[in-house]
Amino acid sequence: DQQVKQNSPSLSVQEGRISILNCDYTNSMFDYFLWYKKYPAEGPTFLISISSIKDKNEDGRFTVFLNKSAKHLSLHIVPSQPGDSAVYFCAIQSTGFQKLVFGTGTRLLVSP
Amino acid sequence: EAQVTQNPRYLITVTGKKLTVTCSQNMNHEYMSWYRQDPGLGLRQIYYSMNVEVTDKGDVPEGYKVSRKEKRNFPLILESPSPNQTSLYFCASSSVNEQFFGPGTRLTVL
Repeated sequence: DQQVKQNSPSLSVQEGRISILNCDYTNSMFDYFLWYKKYPAEGPTFLISISSIKDKNEDGRFTVFLNKSAKHLSLHIVPSQPGDSAVYFCAIQSTGFQKLVFGTGTRLLVSP
Repeated sequence: EAQVTQNPRYLITVTGKKLTVTCSQNMNHEYMSWYRQDPGLGLRQIYYSMNVEVTDKGDVPEGYKVSRKEKRNFPLILESPSPNQTSLYFCASSSVNEQFFGPGTRLTVL
């Protein structure tokens, strides 16, 4: 039973445009929502997170939105750059527990 | 440099031949874990360890063993590998705020 779903396995965007990656979750008990980025032949690296008491968190070109009523999380990248091409995983975490539950991943391709 | 290292990075083996994938971190973290990544399934936790000599099962522990005799090391052991354990494996080391992942070990079991 997949608690965290990323329904789009892949996304293609042109350089300079907005990339929107989506994530849905089923369990309302989680407190933190994170995005990880993964390049080929490397481990995932932390990108941005948001706590359940917020609905938006921004860090440079990256913004994460949380809609708790819809149990939906999204990552916006503006403007997208070719270096952003990677697999993006959303993940959820409970306070006091360091276990992450990951989504299935979305492969983003940003073309020049 | 803060890092998580894994060895080997690539391994091809045969069914039933015991193997160990090592993991080491230099950040003095108490929490370490192992994940496997499979297409369409994302990363799933295999085992985790809250501290030395404290380990517990994650979501997909069958066929795997771990040990935590030292804080910095958390090896993953496959006593009798099977083809369904062909996967990409990641070790992670965690502070309260962030998880750091190793570069991954691609395992193929024939």
